Amino acid sequence: DSGVTQTPKHLITATGQRVTLRCSPRSGDLSVYWYQQSLDQGLQFLIQYYNGEERAKGNILERFSAQQFPDLHSELNLSSLELGDSALYFCASSDRGGGQGTQYFGPGTRLLVL
Amino acid sequence: DAKTTQPPSMDCAEGRAANLPCNHSTISGNEYVYWYRQIHSQGPQYIIHGLKNNETNEMASLIITEDRKSSTLILPHATLRDTAVYYCIVRAQGGSEKLVFGKGTKLTVNP
Repeated sequence: DSGVTQTPKHLITATGQRVTLRCSPRSGDLSVYWYQQSLDQGLQFLIQYYNGEERAKGNILERFSAQQFPDLHSELNLSSLELGDSALYFCASSDRGGGQGTQYFGPGTRLLVL
Repeated sequence: DAKTTQPPSMDCAEGRAANLPCNHSTISGNEYVYWYRQIHSQGPQYIIHGLKNNETNEMASLIITEDRKSSTLILPHATLRDTAVYYCIVRAQGGSEKLVFGKGTKLTVNP
């Protein structure tokens, strides 16, 4: 158990809908990272927040957005969903904002868009 | 971040040591070598990391060559539960925040 929690574990929705994925980092960790894992693209970095501020951005679609709240939990919002958004979404946390901290991953949310 | 090369798959007998190689010939002086594994769609699990000295923890040992262009992850007594995809990642201290995952090595531990 990494100490990172993600909810829900599974999500099934329809095209065009909007969903919110939630992540709680390990106690004391200030950084939260979101990754997407699809069958054809592998594990890809989406976005990072550090202590409430956006720190780094990957190839995150404009239909996707994220935020980190004062209690340090983070939410990833996916809107206008398409079939290709079906994937595993992982959250990771680390105790540092720079590229030094070890990232610990949550169990993931499996999203299926029908 | 430097690119890494790993064999796509390896097999190991249960109870034997599993030695997983990784080439990172363009690694820079301030870049660390990290190893993660992913067991069947679970979240990637951190294993170990190092800069230039060999490292050991309760899960594995990491051997980095003197020129730092390659490394080997050693699982000393592999079990069936070690069957997973193992990722070798090079990451600069203070550099990019993200982890760049390649395709990794699918390790199968056989009974």
